[in-house]
Amino acid sequence: NAGVTQTPKFQVLKTGQSMTLQCAQDMNHNSMYWYRQDPGMGLRLIYYSASEGTTDKGEVPNGYNVSRLNKREFSLRLESAAPSQTSVYFCASSVRPTNRVETQYFGPGTRLLVL
Amino acid sequence: DAKTTQPTSMDCAEGRAANLPCNHSTISGNEYVYWYRQIHSQGPQYIIHGLKNNETNEMASLIITEDRKSSTLILPHATLRDTAVYYCIVRVVVINTGTASKLTFGTGTRLQVTL
Repeated sequence: NAGVTQTPKFQVLKTGQSMTLQCAQDMNHNSMYWYRQDPGMGLRLIYYSASEGTTDKGEVPNGYNVSRLNKREFSLRLESAAPSQTSVYFCASSVRPTNRVETQYFGPGTRLLVL
Repeated sequence: DAKTTQPTSMDCAEGRAANLPCNHSTISGNEYVYWYRQIHSQGPQYIIHGLKNNETNEMASLIITEDRKSSTLILPHATLRDTAVYYCIVRVVVINTGTASKLTFGTGTRLQVTL
């Protein structure tokens, strides 16, 4: 199993450009998440998808959109990139086992620089 | 929200036990204690979790005080590969009736393992 994969690994954008960050998981997990991490800070939740066909906002959704394309894939789109969106973006997935305690599994991250 | 307090940084000699403390004095009865770590430039990695009993797995041990107001993550024989930022998380909120839940990351403890 590859686990959680993200593409691209690194991207440079100019202000106003758009791009889509891709995420896929092969663990048959129901839930998927997008986080961002700014230097010296913890992760903050942007959007999540509890199950295929549903998406909801997290702490910092402004400037982003998401698509849960199917159970495996969850993409994050920046329609008009701003320098404040320079960050490292992590995708994660999870499943809740019978004891209701779930664990999130993270991808390697996408480093985005907006000039 | 149950807030956590962790030391900013710690050092540990290779081969020795690393004991990472976490205070969570406002934890509620149904909140779990989770530990994740983040090795430089990688996505966070799940280590262990517990509710009120001590727990052990192949990576670490988790000791939770009887009043649940604090816990300690123990890496029994630290190696250089254990150098990372360690996050103690006690706020696991079920966002909706699906399988997603939200992890709130603080700034963690930066553990440096040295020769």
